[in-house]
Amino acid sequence: DAGITQSPRYKITETGRQVTLMCHQTWSHSYMFWYRQDLGHGLRLIYYSAAADITDKGEVPDGYVVSRSKTENFPLTLESATRSQTSVYFCASSAGQETQYFGPGTRLLVL
Amino acid sequence: AQSVTQLGSHVSVSEGALVLLRCNYSSSVPPYLFWYVQYPNQGLQLLLKYTTGATLVKGINGFEAEFKKSETSFHLTKPSAHMSDAAEYFCAVQGGSEKLVFGKGTKLTVNP
Repeated sequence: DAGITQSPRYKITETGRQVTLMCHQTWSHSYMFWYRQDLGHGLRLIYYSAAADITDKGEVPDGYVVSRSKTENFPLTLESATRSQTSVYFCASSAGQETQYFGPGTRLLVL
Repeated sequence: AQSVTQLGSHVSVSEGALVLLRCNYSSSVPPYLFWYVQYPNQGLQLLLKYTTGATLVKGINGFEAEFKKSETSFHLTKPSAHMSDAAEYFCAVQGGSEKLVFGKGTKLTVNP
């Protein structure tokens, strides 16, 4: 099906472990984004990408790594997970300065 | 730089009553403005957006918003609330780039 998907939908991990969250879109949108959603903070931008092999930091990038080798995929890696990274993570894509379309989210719990 | 302030983290209305969710923005360039809705355990869905042109924007599910430059506001309204409108609503601003800056959200409760 066309759209934007995220996997896994739920993840429990332990402090210090590496975790990768996947995002895939079928629209060939050039822009992709990663947000985290926390109570009282709304959505905050972690990283974004304007095209394959072009990424840039958002508001809260520390502790995260991204890559974009293909236009349709934008994985987010937590190199050494911390409890403060417990959150709901949303991926989004857009064709430019236009509407962003969001995935269903990944709920991550770091113990 | 852009910022968004949503007044009221929780709003409660009766079914059939007017819904008014407030959003004020700050932007150093002419903004694009968005309202998104999030139902429990789901992603964000676009309700409506203002880019240029007509300042009164109509969206899905009977919602509308008016861009008021002089007041730097983009309040969301719906004449008659329905139980299915219960959700969290996010206002967002986009100014001169592809990045969105979100408000902290307003949770709408609709009472029978």
